[in-house]
Amino acid sequence: SQQGEEDPQALSIQEGENATMNCSYKTSINNLQWYRQNSGRGLVHLILIRSNEREKHSGRLRVTLDTSKKSSSLLITASRAADTASYFCATDGNKLVFGAGTILRVKS
Amino acid sequence: GAVVSQHPSRVICKSGTSVKIECRSLDFQATTMFWYRQFPKQSLMLMATSNEGSKATYEQGVEKDKFLINHASLTLSTLTVTSAHPEDSSFYICSARDRTNLRTEAFFGQGTRLTVV
Repeated sequence: SQQGEEDPQALSIQEGENATMNCSYKTSINNLQWYRQNSGRGLVHLILIRSNEREKHSGRLRVTLDTSKKSSSLLITASRAADTASYFCATDGNKLVFGAGTILRVKS
Repeated sequence: GAVVSQHPSRVICKSGTSVKIECRSLDFQATTMFWYRQFPKQSLMLMATSNEGSKATYEQGVEKDKFLINHASLTLSTLTVTSAHPEDSSFYICSARDRTNLRTEAFFGQGTRLTVV
């Protein structure tokens, strides 16, 4: 069963704008991970944030984690057309469980 | 980075036949591998957790006699879809964790698109 919910379900922005995706979950976690999936392909790991961390950066990515609210957000700054993909959060307790995902479309 | 190889990438089979999908960790040893199923435009649904040398743990609602999982070594897990039916058509993805650190990212195979005709 899926534990995470993500919003928005779909997001369409112009190149250069920032994209923010949110993820909520229900149970306690060891860490939370964000993945990207291009259509019909496998998943690519983007970033991992541990339960005792509040914010993490990696290049144009910024992830926050609020364990009291059981939520996380992924910010992609200065988006590019190549960022068009589906983005999933995954909560990591004993197993990796994925949220519903956000379909991001960046228009050039 | 760590690599997980999944084979085949695409397979078409006839109803009633069985299909085996392999998942290999190429440069690390994986105590645990996970099998997911993904329908078009939906998220990944965890089917089962595959543990090396022991029986797989299946998620609720997943038929263990239909989806046979074998994890015979630290680098290989297989998923066999038995007596396949058109409703089994889906995208199947495996992932593996490095046994030296179970609390890090999982590495994913490229997926297998199964079409049952």
